[in-house]
Amino acid sequence: DTGVSQNPRHKITKRGQNVTFRCDPISEHNRLYWYRQTLGQGPEFLTYFQNEAQLEKSRLLSDRFSAERPKGSFSTLEIQRTEQGDSAMYLCASNTAELFFGEGSRLTVL
Amino acid sequence: QKEVEQNSGPLSVPEGAIASLNCTYSDRGSQSFFWYRQYSGKSPELIMFIYSNGDKEDGRFTAQLNKASQYVSLLIRDSQPSDSATYLCAVNPPGYSSASKIIFGSGTRLSIRP
Repeated sequence: DTGVSQNPRHKITKRGQNVTFRCDPISEHNRLYWYRQTLGQGPEFLTYFQNEAQLEKSRLLSDRFSAERPKGSFSTLEIQRTEQGDSAMYLCASNTAELFFGEGSRLTVL
Repeated sequence: QKEVEQNSGPLSVPEGAIASLNCTYSDRGSQSFFWYRQYSGKSPELIMFIYSNGDKEDGRFTAQLNKASQYVSLLIRDSQPSDSATYLCAVNPPGYSSASKIIFGSGTRLSIRP
């Protein structure tokens, strides 16, 4: 499979714990995006990278969220001190032109 | 005001009819517009994009853009039960190329009844 790969697909954690999601984009794509989606809403932009450079981070994103893309390949999204409001589907996407989404990582914070 | 607004639905359309989905956007400088389809429990997938005023057709799908009214629509002809999904309108904010950041609406849930 040469699509966008995300793992873990599901994560259940207790409030206050840290979680990390990984995204492996399509290999030739230099842009990588993280979105968050809650039930009944469209994907909400979080951040994006061009190669290893993080070009933008949403103002809605608190300091508990951090994303990296070392060497411009895979990316990680870490959420520190999780809160129940962080429960959502975290979607990764990559592109050169058309945006391709991964299957998402679903986070449940108890 | 949200950047991209859609009626959440559900929109129920009989099989074989035309489904019409609408979207408005707030920033007049936006240049690129997209329609994504999202099946329940799945990720969004691109159906069509449109950059110029007017209509763009692809098979059973037609996207319509009216920049003066800040309005984008998607028509689905000969609707099939497999078209039942949530349809997301998305826009490039001004200053971003079409191959970069896009902002999504909340989606319209479409149900095709046999």
